[in-house]
Amino acid sequence: GAVVSQHPSRVICKSGTSVKIECRSLDFQATTMFWYRQFPKQSLMLMATSNEGSKATYEQGVEKDKFLINHASLTLSTLTVTSAHPEDSSFYICSATETADTQYFGPGTRLTVL
Amino acid sequence: AQSVTQLDSQVPVFEEAPVELRCNYSSSVSVYLFWYVQYPNQGLQLLLKYLSGSTLVKGINGFEAEFNKSQTSFHLRKPSVHISDTAEYFCAVSGIYNQGGKLIFGQGTELSVKP
Repeated sequence: GAVVSQHPSRVICKSGTSVKIECRSLDFQATTMFWYRQFPKQSLMLMATSNEGSKATYEQGVEKDKFLINHASLTLSTLTVTSAHPEDSSFYICSATETADTQYFGPGTRLTVL
Repeated sequence: AQSVTQLDSQVPVFEEAPVELRCNYSSSVSVYLFWYVQYPNQGLQLLLKYLSGSTLVKGINGFEAEFNKSQTSFHLRKPSVHISDTAEYFCAVSGIYNQGGKLIFGQGTELSVKP
């Protein structure tokens, strides 16, 4: 149980294009989903918290117009990196929670912007 | 607000030896505590968690952790490690009244198991 998937697992795009990453909870309904960014050899940095049917809450310093989050249903959240640039290259990880006490993580998406 | 400190960034150990990965936290409210493992280029897998009750928590892959409230610690232990335990380990905390269970992570400890 408690499986979270992400798609795609790896994406390479040209600078200036937009990229959409999907996060799905496969066997439970996620009341809340989180989006993290991880740089090499570093810990996870929380970008935003999203609840189904409402606007995402962004952490300080995260550009909401750059990183668009949509939580369309209780099993799907999407992160769109708009007008991507090389500095947006990173490992993006989502997590989902059914109850407030435990987050289950997706396998991550490696974004490379050329 | 909460914070988490993992005292060792790297822990090298020989196969079949015991290991302890240290984690200390700071919080003004009661907390839930977690250990996650991350293998290269993968997401995080939950090893174990402390929510309430017994302070000794057993998790997957033979790991266990003990919650020590007076020392604000939640150290992870395994009596005999395998090569396959080589990975990055993250300690995390959330305030029990945090809406949605927002997690604060430590910096991570790289466990390297050598034959």
